[in-house]
Amino acid sequence: DAGVIQSPRHEVTEMGQEVTLRCKPISGHNSLFWYRQTMMRGLELLIYFNNNVPIDDSGMPEDRFSAKMPNASFSTLKIQPSEPRDSAVYFCATRGTGELFFGEGSRLTVL
Amino acid sequence: QQQVKQSPQSLIVQKGGISIINCAYENTAFDYFPWYQQFPGKGPALLIAIRPDVSEKKEGRFTISFNKSAKQFSLHIMDSQPGDSATYFCAASKEGSQGNLIFGKGTKLSVKP
Repeated sequence: DAGVIQSPRHEVTEMGQEVTLRCKPISGHNSLFWYRQTMMRGLELLIYFNNNVPIDDSGMPEDRFSAKMPNASFSTLKIQPSEPRDSAVYFCATRGTGELFFGEGSRLTVL
Repeated sequence: QQQVKQSPQSLIVQKGGISIINCAYENTAFDYFPWYQQFPGKGPALLIAIRPDVSEKKEGRFTISFNKSAKQFSLHIMDSQPGDSATYFCAASKEGSQGNLIFGKGTKLSVKP
């Protein structure tokens, strides 16, 4: 298995632009998590899905952030409009019945 | 409220030495305590985990020590190697490995040759 696949790996955009981050989970994993990593705040859980249904989005910072999981093979995290303080590494992680597996992350820089 | 406090923030150890990273938690409902290892440009990966029914777990050079009464747990890396240089995160969850993980802020370990 190729593991959790995230794209893009790097994104540089200007303030106000829409950003879409994508995640392909490991096949058969029914839980998917979006995390944000910054030096100041460490790893923060933004939202997680179970069987494609959002279960807890209390970590989503504000309405500019939205996440979807239209099917078991794909999820997106969207930021609209983006702001410089959104600059971070965003990780997707998935889990079946065992441990949590992380993707390699999407590094977002908002200028 | 930070539920898992990790220290130190950074650590420099000589090759062959022992690296020790500490974590403290607040929620007594936590019942699963993993450690994750992250190399630059990569996502965190599970290193070793413990449940509160045991006080210690060892896997190779890596050992978790767990003190339930003090609500603390630590990672010990014996015979530290330059290849161990990475950022280490402790975490905790309720509902075992199926619960949502609350992460510490991480410790950047540098092992000098």
